[in-house]
Amino acid sequence: GAVVSQHPSRVICKSGTSVKIECRSLDFQATTMFWYRQFPKQSLMLMATSNEGSKATYEQGVEKDKFLINHASLTLSTLTVTSAHPEDSSFYICSVEGAWNEQFFGPGTRLTVL
Amino acid sequence: ELKVEQNPLFLSMQEGKNYTIYCNYSTTSDRLYWYRQDPGKSLESLFVLLSNGAVKQEGRLMASLDTKARLSTLHITAAVHDLSATYFCAVGFNTNAGKSTFGDGTTLTVKP
Repeated sequence: GAVVSQHPSRVICKSGTSVKIECRSLDFQATTMFWYRQFPKQSLMLMATSNEGSKATYEQGVEKDKFLINHASLTLSTLTVTSAHPEDSSFYICSVEGAWNEQFFGPGTRLTVL
Repeated sequence: ELKVEQNPLFLSMQEGKNYTIYCNYSTTSDRLYWYRQDPGKSLESLFVLLSNGAVKQEGRLMASLDTKARLSTLHITAAVHDLSATYFCAVGFNTNAGKSTFGDGTTLTVKP
């Protein structure tokens, strides 16, 4: 399967600051990447679909001005959480898609907003 | 709205025992996935099931799909401690790439 990396793996920030999370596809070029969030002991929620060279597609209820997604190359998508607040604390996971639309997930980024 | 229900949500079992996790979904789908998540880690793809009657096996885990019943099962044979994790099923569609709907997960604890 595909190999996906994320950076940073863990970040702690103060309320009101912005945090950027990088997602890289290491072994193939991904025109599409996906961003999920997962609260403790809960399932995954798809936030948005990141499209190389065009605007991301956000799921209903996800604020696009708060969660900025940029997919500038075929191997890199970034998620910026703007003006983060404690309720944004979560586990953020990106993924790329396999041949059967299965997801290959990155290792995740744990965001804690104080 | 597609709903995906897993049961049980929590499962504690002894090493050497067998058990089955169930995944029911509410609308017709053409693919179903199983993933594993270890505590504090991300998810790992286990199985992709694409057709009615599909069965896949890897080690002590076997997954099957009954599209008519809208049911997938993940069977654990002779459990070992290393299988302790949370298992998610997810239902997807060929025409809606990436938009799988995930179940709530089954947290499995295998005790010696």
